Amino acid sequence: DTGVSQNPRHKITKRGQNVTFRCDPISEHNRLYWYRQTLGQGPEFLTYFQNEAQLEKSRLLSDRFSAERPKGSFSTLEIQRTEQGDSAMYLCASTGGTRSSYNEQFFGPGTRLTVL
Amino acid sequence: RKEVEQDPGPFNVPEGATVAFNCTYSNSASQSFFWYRQDCRKEPKLLMSVYSSGNEDGRFTAQLNRASQYISLLIRDSKLSDSATYLCVVRDGMGGGNKLTFGTGTQLKVEL
Repeated sequence: DTGVSQNPRHKITKRGQNVTFRCDPISEHNRLYWYRQTLGQGPEFLTYFQNEAQLEKSRLLSDRFSAERPKGSFSTLEIQRTEQGDSAMYLCASTGGTRSSYNEQFFGPGTRLTVL
Repeated sequence: RKEVEQDPGPFNVPEGATVAFNCTYSNSASQSFFWYRQDCRKEPKLLMSVYSSGNEDGRFTAQLNRASQYISLLIRDSKLSDSATYLCVVRDGMGGGNKLTFGTGTQLKVEL
């Protein structure tokens, strides 16, 4: 499977705990995006990377959230001191590269976070 | 006001019907426009890009009116498999480097 992959697919945690999600983009894609989707809403942009550089962050990304893409390949999204309002689907998408256009963002299956 | 507004539906239509979805966007600097499809508990997938001249892909026709900041999607001869949420999406800037802004989605249910 050469699509975008995300792990874990589901995460249940208690309020106050830290969680980390991983995204592996399509291998030749140099741009990677994180979005969050809550029930009944469309995905909302959180942050994006071009290679290893984090180029834009949404105001939704509070200081409890941090994202990295250390080698320009996979990315991690960490949430510290989780709150019930963090419960959502966290989607990763990738695009771009020498053999791909930037027109379409390809999404992974998402990580569904439930904070109890 | 949301940046991208859509009627959330649901639209319940019989198989074979024609159904139209509309969307408005607030940022006049938006450069690119798309319809994404999202099945229940799945990730969004690109259905089609939307161009000012209008474009068609089989049973699907998309239109863009930049002056009115209005986007539409027409589905002809609806199939049961068309049941999904249709997300109106805009992107600022050129080249895909910028974020996608999604509407809330319009839910379509095609029934026998």
